[in-house]
Amino acid sequence: DQQVKQNSPSLSVQEGRISILNCDYTNSMFDYFLWYKKYPAEGPTFLISISSIKDKNEDGRFTVFLNKSAKHLSLHIVPSQPGDSAVYFCAASPSRSSGGSNYKLTFGKGTLLTVNP
Amino acid sequence: DGGITQSPKYLFRKEGQNVTLSCEQNLNHDAMYWYRQDPGQGLRLIYYSQIVNDFQKGDIAEGYSVSREKKESFPLTVTSAQKNPTAFYLCASKGLGNTGELFFGEGSRLTVL
Repeated sequence: DQQVKQNSPSLSVQEGRISILNCDYTNSMFDYFLWYKKYPAEGPTFLISISSIKDKNEDGRFTVFLNKSAKHLSLHIVPSQPGDSAVYFCAASPSRSSGGSNYKLTFGKGTLLTVNP
Repeated sequence: DGGITQSPKYLFRKEGQNVTLSCEQNLNHDAMYWYRQDPGQGLRLIYYSQIVNDFQKGDIAEGYSVSREKKESFPLTVTSAQKNPTAFYLCASKGLGNTGELFFGEGSRLTVL
């Protein structure tokens, strides 16, 4: 049973345009969310996170939006660059403050983003 | 430089053999994790440890074993009981707190021949 879902296996955009990557979750205990970027044969690197007390967090070209009622979050990359081409993973965790157990991240299956020059 | 080191990066094993993947961190993190990545499957949690001498099973622990004798080290043994061991294995660590990101190593690619 997938608790974190990334329904688009791949996404292709033109350089300079906006990339929007989507993620849905089913576990109502999740209240902390992260996005990771991963190149082939390398470990994932952290991009941006958001706590459930917020609905938006921005860091440079990357913005994450959280809609708690819809159990949906999205990552916006503006403007997209060819170097952004990678697999993007959405991850979620319950924090201890919400009664969650030991801290662990549940990942989605990832979305392969290709930014064309 | 602080970070997480996984070794070996590539490993080949014959069926029926156990193999141990190394993970060392010098970030002074308390928590350490092992994930497995398969094509189209994302990252799935094998085992994790919040503190020395303690660890918990993740979602796919069958056929794997771990130890946490030192804070810096969290080796993963892939046993012959693991039915589909060929995969990319990722080790991660995290500091204290209810939130925050995991820091990942570069990964180890295990291929069973």
